[in-house]
Amino acid sequence: AQTVTQSQPEMSVQEAETVTLSCTYDTSESNYYLFWYKQPPSRQMILVIRQEAYKQQNATENRFSVNFQKAAKSFSLKISDSQLGDTAMYFCAFMPTGTASKLTFGTGTRLQVTL
Amino acid sequence: GAVVSQHPSWVICKSGTSVKIECRSLDFQATTMFWYRQFPKQSLMLMATSNEGSKATYEQGVEKDKFLINHASLTLSTLTVTSAHPEDSSFYICSVWTGGKYEQYFGPGTRLTVT
Repeated sequence: AQTVTQSQPEMSVQEAETVTLSCTYDTSESNYYLFWYKQPPSRQMILVIRQEAYKQQNATENRFSVNFQKAAKSFSLKISDSQLGDTAMYFCAFMPTGTASKLTFGTGTRLQVTL
Repeated sequence: GAVVSQHPSWVICKSGTSVKIECRSLDFQATTMFWYRQFPKQSLMLMATSNEGSKATYEQGVEKDKFLINHASLTLSTLTVTSAHPEDSSFYICSVWTGGKYEQYFGPGTRLTVT
């Protein structure tokens, strides 16, 4: 079984600043994917970024990037130039490869972007 | 990614009645969908995997006779909460599995309130 841990229940960042959200995971799987999902107040889950474990290069999507450390089982999300619209719950998630594999979510980090 | 809708977005029912929630994949033929439950300020917990044309697979601790799942077509899965009780009040979210891309796309969720 997999576990995903997010140790920061809440974080705050000023607009235009950079913030990093932490995530660690535990698994015995060798092939897997990692994700960051955003859940704004509307509660719609939105895929922010995904990382394939076999790729060493860290994924990047515009202002969002990850620091993937496979040996340390760490997968942090960096948000650059934070915007008010980034205010949301952020969930780290793990998915092993295979047929219709299940997502295991962390407990989430509530991010507040302030003026 | 896939576009997923849910209906209704919010439903209030009386204790002892049954309520059906629909999950539709609007632009992707989904052989597999997932149903999650989310309590306030908590993470998503997987309830079951919905497979088109076959029985759903339930997670440990989820009562399959209480939460009936039907995946009758490649674009529709339904979750029926039978004999609802106040403790069933929660936010229910479905997702679509997109196969080889190893991604899940989520519906907007349904808030169920049992009085």
